[in-house]
Amino acid sequence: DQQVKQNSPSLSVQEGRISILNCDYTNSMFDYFLWYKKYPAEGPTFLISISSIKDKNEDGRFTVFLNKSAKHLSLHIVPSQPGDSAVYFCAASDTNRDDKIIFGKGTRLHILP
Amino acid sequence: SQTIHQWPATLVQPVGSPLSLECTVEGTSNPNLYWYRQAAGRGLQLLFYSVGIGQISSEVPQNLSASRPQDRQFILSSKKLLLSDSGFYLCAWNEGMNTEAFFGQGTRLTVV
Repeated sequence: DQQVKQNSPSLSVQEGRISILNCDYTNSMFDYFLWYKKYPAEGPTFLISISSIKDKNEDGRFTVFLNKSAKHLSLHIVPSQPGDSAVYFCAASDTNRDDKIIFGKGTRLHILP
Repeated sequence: SQTIHQWPATLVQPVGSPLSLECTVEGTSNPNLYWYRQAAGRGLQLLFYSVGIGQISSEVPQNLSASRPQDRQFILSSKKLLLSDSGFYLCAWNEGMNTEAFFGQGTRLTVV
C-alpha cells in the first residue's frame, strides 16, 4: 500500500522555465511533508518542508504548495537551472503517531538547455 | 555541527554471506535513526527506524535486521544475503517530529 505517490516517473523542463513536481498521499493523518533532491550514488538532500497548518512555504527558487482537501502537494522550482536535474522525492509523516518518514518513488527531473 | 557517517560506500557480497552496514551520527544526542533502501522502481523504502537505544521498528518483512547498540550507532545486518537484497542502502537521522531527516552517502550493495 503506497501512501505517498509520485505518478510521474520523469519530467523534462526547459532551462529558465518553471518545474512543477507533483505528489499525492492517501493517509489523511499525514501532517508534515518534505521534498528531497537526490543525485546518483548520493544520499538525498533536504530541500523544503511544509506543515499541514500551512498551504504554502517558499525558500528561494523553491515553493511547496499543500492542498489538504485533495491530499496533494507540489514543488515549484522557478527558474529551473541545469543543476536542478536530479530525482526528487516527496515524503510525509504523521507526527502525532510516530516519527516515520514515508517516501514516494521519486520523479526524475531533466532540465533541458 | 551534526554529521552522519555510513560505510562502506560499495559492497559486493556472495549469496548466503552475512552483512553488516554501520551508520554513526555525530554532534547530536538521542536522534531518531532510519534505514532506507532504494531499489529500482521502488523509491525510498523505509526498512527500520529507531527512536532510542534498543528500540527498533521494522517496517517490512525481510531478510534483514537492525540494531542500535549505542545512542548514535545504527547497524543493518543479515545472516544470509539473498540476490533480492541488492540495492542502495541509506541511513538517516533527525531530531524528532516535524524535523527534516539528514541522509548519509549510502552503500551500494550488490549480491552476486
